[in-house]
Amino acid sequence: AQKITQTQPGMFVQEKEAVTLDCTYDTSDPSYGLFWYKQPSSGEMIFLIYQGSYDQQNATEGRYSLNFQKARKSANLVISASQLGDSAMYFCAMREGYTGNQFYFGTGTSLTVIP
Amino acid sequence: DVKVTQSSRYLVKRTGEKVFLECVQDMDHENMFWYRQDPGLGLRLIYFSYDVKMKEKGDIPEGYSVSREKKERFSLILESASTNQTSMYLCASRRGLGYNYGYTFGSGTRLTVV
Repeated sequence: AQKITQTQPGMFVQEKEAVTLDCTYDTSDPSYGLFWYKQPSSGEMIFLIYQGSYDQQNATEGRYSLNFQKARKSANLVISASQLGDSAMYFCAMREGYTGNQFYFGTGTSLTVIP
Repeated sequence: DVKVTQSSRYLVKRTGEKVFLECVQDMDHENMFWYRQDPGLGLRLIYFSYDVKMKEKGDIPEGYSVSREKKERFSLILESASTNQTSMYLCASRRGLGYNYGYTFGSGTRLTVV
């Protein structure tokens, strides 16, 4: 079974609108971390936001927030007030266990911001 | 600013050649990783290393090997390049243990095998 599932291959959003990128995960380990990365056309992966499995509150970083629903095993990324520079690929990733080294990545969502 | 540097952004090699992809990090991180990225498949782990001279296979190690002689350098080796190894290769490093330690990635190497 896939550890990370991103079901939206491509998304479009109007500039200044909010957009939600979906991510569901699969693990039986009670300790895990969830990450979102942005990959612009230049290729470099940029860390956006992190959520730990024991964190009580949803993570926020500027215009990025993570809608963490533990019972549903979902960790959706919300981008508020979209900008043209937000156009990129977005990857959800998970690390299992406190000592886990390997990250599992989803297949990514391509976001296009329309002026 | 912390940095992971991959030696080449673009590389074109011939089938059967031995190919070296180099990655250097300046953060004194224990862990280093090689992923390949293909459209529709996301990132898949090839190998990782948690210490000098230590290596672990990832999900798709066939056709690849790695070398870590120094803490800051992690090399990916394609023993005999094949066209199905045409891909984007991403190197990453990470501090030791800890929930919230994410990866720092390099800029990637786009390898074409002809």
